[in-house]
Amino acid sequence: GESVGLHLPTLSVQEGDSAVIKCTYSDSASNYFPWYKQELGKRPQLIIDIRSNVGEKKDQRIAVTLNKTAKHFSLHITETQPEDSAVYFCAASIAGTASKLTFGTGTRLQVTL
Amino acid sequence: DSGVTQTPKHLITATGQRVTLRCSPRSGDLSVYWYQQSLDQGLQFLIQYYNGEERAKGNILERFSAQQFPDLHSELNLSSLELGDSALYFCASSVGGSREPDTQYFGPGTRLTVL
Repeated sequence: GESVGLHLPTLSVQEGDSAVIKCTYSDSASNYFPWYKQELGKRPQLIIDIRSNVGEKKDQRIAVTLNKTAKHFSLHITETQPEDSAVYFCAASIAGTASKLTFGTGTRLQVTL
Repeated sequence: DSGVTQTPKHLITATGQRVTLRCSPRSGDLSVYWYQQSLDQGLQFLIQYYNGEERAKGNILERFSAQQFPDLHSELNLSSLELGDSALYFCASSVGGSREPDTQYFGPGTRLTVL
């Protein structure tokens, strides 16, 4: 089955810097890749997603890039702010599997002042 | 607020007991998903229902079961509870019905503590 891996369990950046979190996936049939942000004790919130027919998607300070050849996708956050501090989960889904999401273990992003 | 509701917010019970967690999807969503999140762990997919029928199953224990009712709300039943079942249980919903994956919106979760 599909497996999803995150390269960094934690990432610390200074306020205003950029943060990049990379995620790999195993199944080349995966075609939907969302990123969720989860604050402590709260629900995962979708922040951006990308489908396999697109290489990059941007929404204000957040962007996601997809490299299908290398089977990885990355979350980019620019001009980080303290409120960006949270755990970020990547996930992947395969068409025809009823949208079942396979999640990575999460990267804790800490934005320091 | 995602529009997905879950009750109760917290549940404390003893080993061997049985509990029921409830989820109401967003208005218009036909698919409901259940996920388990243990301490410092990622989200593990348990089971999915679409319009009342089971659509996909993940690593769901035999002691766990779920159903989706005609009004589209779903319940996750956990029985013969063990200490290791303590976790956050999230429900998510999506429109569903398409062969392509669609966006899932998560509820606030139920924190289950088994003592």
